[in-house]
Amino acid sequence: QQPVQSPQAVILREGEDAVINCSSSKALYSVHWYRQKHGEAPVFLMILLKGGEQKGHEKISASFNEKKQQSSLYLTASQLSYSGTYFCGTAINFGNEKLTFGTGTRLTIIP
Amino acid sequence: SAVISQKPSRDICQRGTSLTIQCQVDSQVTMMFWYRQQPGQSLTLIATANQGSEATYESGFVIDKFPISRPNLTFSTLTVSNMSPEDSSIYLCSVEEAGRNTGELFFGEGSRLTVL
Repeated sequence: QQPVQSPQAVILREGEDAVINCSSSKALYSVHWYRQKHGEAPVFLMILLKGGEQKGHEKISASFNEKKQQSSLYLTASQLSYSGTYFCGTAINFGNEKLTFGTGTRLTIIP
Repeated sequence: SAVISQKPSRDICQRGTSLTIQCQVDSQVTMMFWYRQQPGQSLTLIATANQGSEATYESGFVIDKFPISRPNLTFSTLTVSNMSPEDSSIYLCSVEEAGRNTGELFFGEGSRLTVL
């Protein structure tokens, strides 16, 4: 079953913060986050492993609550370049490179 | 990082025909995956292309409809057979680089198919 992301879509002004949630019905080993701009390939943002720590990348960070099978992506002081559709991808086993992607969240940043 | 080239980038096809999509990687990779992304939707894994053996298909996808070849560690093809309008979609090739162990997948730009 496909992980469910919320919200489905969000519009922010430049400089505002956003949180994107990913919820799975299965026990997870890892959660991966990707961003896809319109007409382009998805681009890897980060991976969170079971038992691992919250990750950060510039103003984008994420957490993974393995007990709740949930992950959240945090975008701080959003920039225009953050616009796109965000997907979480989940894996249930170590070494399982096959990802099940979430429903997606479309983020639009306006000036 | 791996650079992936997909051909064709887009095509318009007639119902009942077949089309083969090529995926070329600039380095040797162990894992190659084929995904489908219908307009405005998420990515769905079709199959894992295994070098030297048959592809492993996900539930809902069969070899007769989506035959896959993987003749070496840098190249794979996906054929969409006997196409119908429901096959209109973007098909993406994805790889995980050997030895990186980061879990990062690299994606090609995709092949956008429209079936009339």
